Amino acid sequence: AQSVTQLGSHVSVSEGALVLLRCNYSSSVPPYLFWYVQYPNQGLQLLLKYTTGATLVKGINGFEAEFKKSETSFHLTKPSAHMSDAAEYFCAVSGNNNDMRFGAGTRLTVKP
Amino acid sequence: NAGVMQNPRHLVRRRGQEARLRCSPMKGHSHVYWYRQLPEEGLKFMVYLQKENIIDESGMPKERFSAEFPKEGPSILRIQQVVRGDSAAYFCASSPDRSSGTQYFGPGTRLTVL
Repeated sequence: AQSVTQLGSHVSVSEGALVLLRCNYSSSVPPYLFWYVQYPNQGLQLLLKYTTGATLVKGINGFEAEFKKSETSFHLTKPSAHMSDAAEYFCAVSGNNNDMRFGAGTRLTVKP
Repeated sequence: NAGVMQNPRHLVRRRGQEARLRCSPMKGHSHVYWYRQLPEEGLKFMVYLQKENIIDESGMPKERFSAEFPKEGPSILRIQQVVRGDSAAYFCASSPDRSSGTQYFGPGTRLTVL
């Protein structure tokens, strides 16, 4: 079974500052890991995903995440926050059967 | 290529009525997933269907909720005798196969029970 823990339900950064959203996972099989973004009253949009291969994954809108097996982590980062990055971010994990499980989400606020 | 489509986008029901939520997967996708998002919470898995089959319904409430994905037409999530606690956003996702990993999400249906 898979599960995800997102540390911090709310994160606030200043515009231009580093964004770091934390995600730790638990999986009994080699995991697929995902970050999705949700803007108000909208569905989820895939930011990036890790399946196999390179552990540093680059996604859309300047985001990237690094898979660290030893730490069971998949933290999301962006070097410089933009006002348009304000949204809810969800980390998710799935195994071999598309049994995707989501974290509780982290709401990112960007201050001018 | 149209994305995952859900309708209606907003649905209002009175307690005791039935709610039917529809999901049309992306073209070429035969796997559909339903999730529920309560206010201020993450997405909770409900059910995973393939054409004419329920693969995993471990997240479905035991009563009042059912789902189908017929050979023709959209997937339907049906909630009978709705209660206020059913008010939530219901999201559908689809994938082309079981091993692709990525699920593509629709815009959701926001159900309000009065």
